[in-house]
Amino acid sequence: QVQLQESGPGLVQPSETLSLTCTVSGVSISSSSYYWGWIRQPPGKGLEWIGSFSYAMGTFYNPSLKSRVAISADTSKNHLSLNLTSVTAADTGVYFCARQHWLLYYFDSWGQGNLVTVSS
Amino acid sequence: QSALTQPASVSGSPGQSITISCTGTSRDVGAYDLVSWYQQHPDKAPKLIIYEDTKRPSGVSNRFSGSKSGNTASLTISGLQAEDEAHYYCSSFAGTKTWVFGGGTRLTVL
Repeated sequence: QVQLQESGPGLVQPSETLSLTCTVSGVSISSSSYYWGWIRQPPGKGLEWIGSFSYAMGTFYNPSLKSRVAISADTSKNHLSLNLTSVTAADTGVYFCARQHWLLYYFDSWGQGNLVTVSS
Repeated sequence: QSALTQPASVSGSPGQSITISCTGTSRDVGAYDLVSWYQQHPDKAPKLIIYEDTKRPSGVSNRFSGSKSGNTASLTISGLQAEDEAHYYCSSFAGTKTWVFGGGTRLTVL
């Protein structure tokens, strides 16, 4: 049974870099059967896809965030990392990592989310 | 890439049926049979309830059903129950390995 767990600081200074880790258990992130996505949710608002990683296919980003975001993977630790640079208050929200089906693209397993507040 | 359009809120009484629409474009919802729907209770992670426009994952009640016509997908919940009160989000593949979500719909069970 797959489990995903986000971790990282809850508070980030404006203009700094937001860094989060998603630790995956129960399945290898290098499996060709899955992509691994990051999704965020501002307080009281809807979901926004940030980007997805596939060991076989590469990394894909939301065009609106592409200039500031980087997703990487460490297969030895079976975890993914998210870095978002030059953050502002608009980047405040809950950040989720989720598993994606490799072909049908649905997000079938989610972490519990990590609240990140951008404030000085 | 714009968010898919959903009504902000819908409501219904226990036992009734409701439908939530999700409108996109010919570049996302209308182009692929890859719309999925998620249920999110307060302070919880989203849960997959429909994928590939109409299919239900194992364990999801058959009271949930999905459909699509043109650029608009729909989620129908029949036999409303109090536990269905939640936010619902649609999502679609939007081509060139990008994905888009709807703005979300709050379902109130009266």
